[in-house]
Amino acid sequence: GAGVSQSPSNKVTEKGKDVELRCDPISGHTALYWYRQSLGQGLEFLIYFQGNSAPDKSGLPSDRFSAERTGGSVSTLTIQRTQQEDSAVYLCASSLEMAAGELFFGEGSRLTVL
Amino acid sequence: AQSVTQPDIHITVSEGASLELRCNYSYGATPYLFWYVQSPGQGLQLLLKYFSGDTLVQGIKGFEAEFKRSQSSFNLRKPSVHWSDAAEYFCAVGARYSTLTFGKGTMLLVSP
Repeated sequence: GAGVSQSPSNKVTEKGKDVELRCDPISGHTALYWYRQSLGQGLEFLIYFQGNSAPDKSGLPSDRFSAERTGGSVSTLTIQRTQQEDSAVYLCASSLEMAAGELFFGEGSRLTVL
Repeated sequence: AQSVTQPDIHITVSEGASLELRCNYSYGATPYLFWYVQSPGQGLQLLLKYFSGDTLVQGIKGFEAEFKRSQSSFNLRKPSVHWSDAAEYFCAVGARYSTLTFGKGTMLLVSP
């Protein structure tokens, strides 16, 4: 596609439910990143992929969070047993390669946990 | 560990006035530095970047930033602010083959 696409744009869920957030990067971009944006906290790095592998998972806040990427393209971020503190905007970005170049961001998925 | 500090959470500037947003970083080597802008409900868009060379870099929308190694700063400037510049601005630091670390952002409000 023309840009990074994320879905859903908004998700409201109940505490304890699982959610899946999807990211479709720019075609040909080999690097893909997930960030979490909470009010007043800036962007918190979660995980990045180079191709289908995730060399750095250090930012995932707990074992309830996981992510995968298939076919070097679409990525899914899964949050199990959601908690209220998981409420945030989850941003996905992609880049041509993992070389600190320009990141292209999607518009984010806003997650609200009731 | 790398870190970015944006000391100002909010800044209000009159339309037509000049703007400077502050950014200080901590990084062990020569950093790659970035400024991104986020309009409400949108993703982040790159304004400009510094990798090496000339310490004054020009970006889109009339923005510029100056890298000052001695002060560990990379402040963003614009000589005349337009109402459409109202947004949140993020400074970020990284290096080749590393992820970016972002500051907490500065919200720019533009008054008529």
